[in-house]
Amino acid sequence: GAGVSQSPRYKVAKRGQDVALRCDPISGHVSLFWYQQALGQGPEFLTYFQNEAQLDKSGLPSDRFFAERPEGSVSTLKIQRTQQEDSAVYLCASSLASREVGYTFGSGTRLTVV
Amino acid sequence: SQKIEQNSEALNIQEGKTATLTCNYTNYSPAYLQWYRQDPGRGPVFLLLIRENEKEKRKERLKVTFDTTLKQSLFHITASQPADSATYLCALVAGYSTLTFGKGTMLLVSP
Repeated sequence: GAGVSQSPRYKVAKRGQDVALRCDPISGHVSLFWYQQALGQGPEFLTYFQNEAQLDKSGLPSDRFFAERPEGSVSTLKIQRTQQEDSAVYLCASSLASREVGYTFGSGTRLTVV
Repeated sequence: SQKIEQNSEALNIQEGKTATLTCNYTNYSPAYLQWYRQDPGRGPVFLLLIRENEKEKRKERLKVTFDTTLKQSLFHITASQPADSATYLCALVAGYSTLTFGKGTMLLVSP
């Protein structure tokens, strides 16, 4: 597609519910990143894929967070047993393999846990 | 500890003036520094990338400088317009090309 597509755009979850957030990157982009952005803050790194390999998951805040990219294109970020502190915007970005390029971000999924 | 600092207060300027935003970092040796623009409800949009061995980079009305001795980057928008009003994020590239972002500075350009 023309850009990075994320769905759903908004998600309201009851505390304890599991959620799955989807990211469809730009075709041909090898690298895929997930970030979490709280209100008034910059994006915080969660995890990074190169093709289907998850090369860095150091930013995932707990073992309730899990990400996958099984075929090297679409990625899913799953949050189990959601808690109020998980409320944030979850941004997905993709880029070409080179380090000398900017990232293309999606519009994000705003998750509200009530 | 590692820090990326951007002015937390909004920058208010008048249309036509030059806006200058600051990004300072500590305990990083970045290979690249990038600037992004973010509008409310949208994801960041890439603007410019500057390498550690480059002093300055320009793109239309935008100019970025990178001083690795001062550990600082300046981002300039000349002849600013109300449409330039947004939050501007500074980000460093480290490790496996993962970006680390500052908190951003909001720019407000009044007509």
